[in-house]
Amino acid sequence: AQSVTQLGSHVSVSEGALVLLRCNYSSSVPPYLFWYVQYPNQGLQLLLKYTSAATLVKGINGFEAEFKKSETSFHLTKPSAHMSDAAEYFCAVRSRGGGSNYKLTFGKGTLLTVNP
Amino acid sequence: GAGVSQSPSNKVTEKGKDVELRCDPISGHTALYWYRQSLGQGLEFLIYFQGNSAPDKSGLPSDRFSAERTGGSVSTLTIQRTQQEDSAVYLCASSPRTSGIPQETQYFGPGTRLLVL
Repeated sequence: AQSVTQLGSHVSVSEGALVLLRCNYSSSVPPYLFWYVQYPNQGLQLLLKYTSAATLVKGINGFEAEFKKSETSFHLTKPSAHMSDAAEYFCAVRSRGGGSNYKLTFGKGTLLTVNP
Repeated sequence: GAGVSQSPSNKVTEKGKDVELRCDPISGHTALYWYRQSLGQGLEFLIYFQGNSAPDKSGLPSDRFSAERTGGSVSTLTIQRTQQEDSAVYLCASSPRTSGIPQETQYFGPGTRLLVL
C-alpha cells in the first residue's frame, strides 16, 4: 500500500523567505507524485507533478519540487514567499497503473502561513 | 473551458436524512473520482468510475454510501441515514483517458460542504 507523510502540519515563513514543504512517500515502485494547493473554501489546484522525466519539476506560481528516489522524497520549494502563497498544501501519490488502482493517496496537508 | 462543477456547494441536513451530492466532470473526461475531506481523517478516496462502471469502490466507508454515474458524465453520491460523522467536504475530480487508462492528473471541483446536525 502506498502512503504519504508530510512533515509539519503548519509552516510559517516571512514574506520573501524560502518556502520548504516536506513530503516523503512509501511505495514499492516510484509512483506518480503531485503537489496540490487548496485556498480557503476552494477545491484542490494542481501545482506540479512528477511523472518520469526530469527529477526537478517546475510548477505554477514559482514552485518547484525535486524527486529523490534514494530518499523517497518530493519536497516542495519556492525561493521567495509571497503573501498570496498562504494556503494548505497537499502531497499526493498515484500508482503507475495495474488493475483499477488509480486513486490519489494524500498526505495530511501542511498549512503555510506567510508573515509580512 | 468549464471545470468540474459540484452542487450544492453547501448542504445542511438533519441526522437520519438522506442526501444527494452531484458532480459534473469536465466534458470528455471518462474517469471520475469522489473524495472526502474531514478534519479528523484528511483527504480520503471514496470511489472511482470509468465510464458508468465503478471498478474501485474500496473507499466507501459503509453501505450507507453509494454512487452512480449515468451517460458517462454526471455522477451522484448518495448518503443514506446521515450521521454526524458524515460531516465533511465531498470533492469530485475527473481525468481524461489515454491508451486505455486514466491520465495521472485529476482535476478537482470546488466541493460540497456537508453538515449533519
